[in-house]
Amino acid sequence: NAGVTQTPKFQVLKTGQSMTLQCAQDMNHEYMSWYRQDPGMGLRLIHYSVGAGITDQGEVPNGYNVSRSTTEDFPLRLLSAAPSQTSVYFCAARPGDVRELFFGEGSRLTVL
Amino acid sequence: TQLLEQSPQFLSIQEGENLTVYCNSSSVFSSLQWYRQEPGEGPVLLVTVVTGGEVKKLKRLTFQFGDARKDSSLHITAAQPGDTGLYLCAGVTQGGSEKLVFGKGTKLTVNP
Repeated sequence: NAGVTQTPKFQVLKTGQSMTLQCAQDMNHEYMSWYRQDPGMGLRLIHYSVGAGITDQGEVPNGYNVSRSTTEDFPLRLLSAAPSQTSVYFCAARPGDVRELFFGEGSRLTVL
Repeated sequence: TQLLEQSPQFLSIQEGENLTVYCNSSSVFSSLQWYRQEPGEGPVLLVTVVTGGEVKKLKRLTFQFGDARKDSSLHITAAQPGDTGLYLCAGVTQGGSEKLVFGKGTKLTVNP
């Protein structure tokens, strides 16, 4: 029972490089979201999706892109990484009519 | 901006002690969730409280939702080292565009 799977778990980038954080869920949940977690800042919503083909911005969307071509996958793209994007990133999913989130194990990103 | 303030930010206690952590806001929430996050993992839902004044018990953990649905508390009886982790509260906002607002968390360490 995988739930929400994130890859990679760890990544080091140089400033200006691009990369994609992958998120896949096997629960057939409509809603998926990306958060970043920084010390003293809590969890902040980056982007979210209420279903395939629909995405919207959260609290801190700048520097990130998302797409939702299938129910299962919700990748997060960094087009030109900056040191300020060093963080732990969490993907989460939930059914459409329920507010409780199921989180992945996180992806720790360091931008040098 | 709706904020959830958690206190204390850090708490270090001995095994067997009791403790209470708090989650406060000036905003009314339609429901409130508590998550526990262990190092290197994503948050895991503990409980959701919905009704003002509601009390829910989960073994040694007691959760209470304030009468006005603006605050909540988590009380742990006879804490154990396995209770160590980051405790996050999250409120579901009211209105047409429901959102989940996270507090910054209480980091609990229970020493054997």
